[in-house]
Amino acid sequence: AQRVTQPEKLLSVFKGAPVELKCNYSYSGSPELFWYVQYSRQRLQLLLRHISRESIKGFTADLNKGETSFHLKKPFAQEEDSAMYYCALREVGEIQGAQKLVFGQGTRLTINP
Amino acid sequence: DTGVSQDPRHKITKRGQNVTFRCDPISEHNRLYWYRQTLGQGPEFLTYFQNEAQLEKSRLLSDRFSAERPKGSFSTLEIQRTEQGDSAMYLCASSARPTGFWYNEQFFGPGTRLTVL
Repeated sequence: AQRVTQPEKLLSVFKGAPVELKCNYSYSGSPELFWYVQYSRQRLQLLLRHISRESIKGFTADLNKGETSFHLKKPFAQEEDSAMYYCALREVGEIQGAQKLVFGQGTRLTINP
Repeated sequence: DTGVSQDPRHKITKRGQNVTFRCDPISEHNRLYWYRQTLGQGPEFLTYFQNEAQLEKSRLLSDRFSAERPKGSFSTLEIQRTEQGDSAMYLCASSARPTGFWYNEQFFGPGTRLTVL
């Protein structure tokens, strides 16, 4: 069964320090991985996806198939990064099928000034 | 606001009552999803529509739950004989038809928070 695990429910770092939010997945096929973010009083929104290989708001994430991980990293945390972060995956290859997402439990990131 | 909208934003009901939620997707998005999020958990998939056809349902969707999307636009999610365990945030998301293999971003609504007393 597909599963996404985020081992840390809470993560607190100081402004300017590096941040790493961990995500591990289990999936038999070739998954597509995402990070979603929810800022205070805002909706859930897509932060980045592994196929884009881009940096969004200074965040990057590399898919490591050997370790089945997709950790989110940022070298220098900013106070506005404080939010709830969810790792998610979906099955690749279903053009007409559901593009349902499987989410992890989420990590609440707090950046201290 | 041209994003996904949901109504009501909050609903408090007594156990055993029926409730209905509405979701209006982004215009011309033909795919619509319902998720449920309980406290301390990530969203869990409930069901999916492509236009008016309900193509997939999670085993989480018991017989007390029914979802419709009659004209392929807005959708409703009804819960009959509510139980305290139904208390959760119900999220709706929509996406455009994919042009290829890859994921089309799902845009989420603000959610409807249900409290069953």
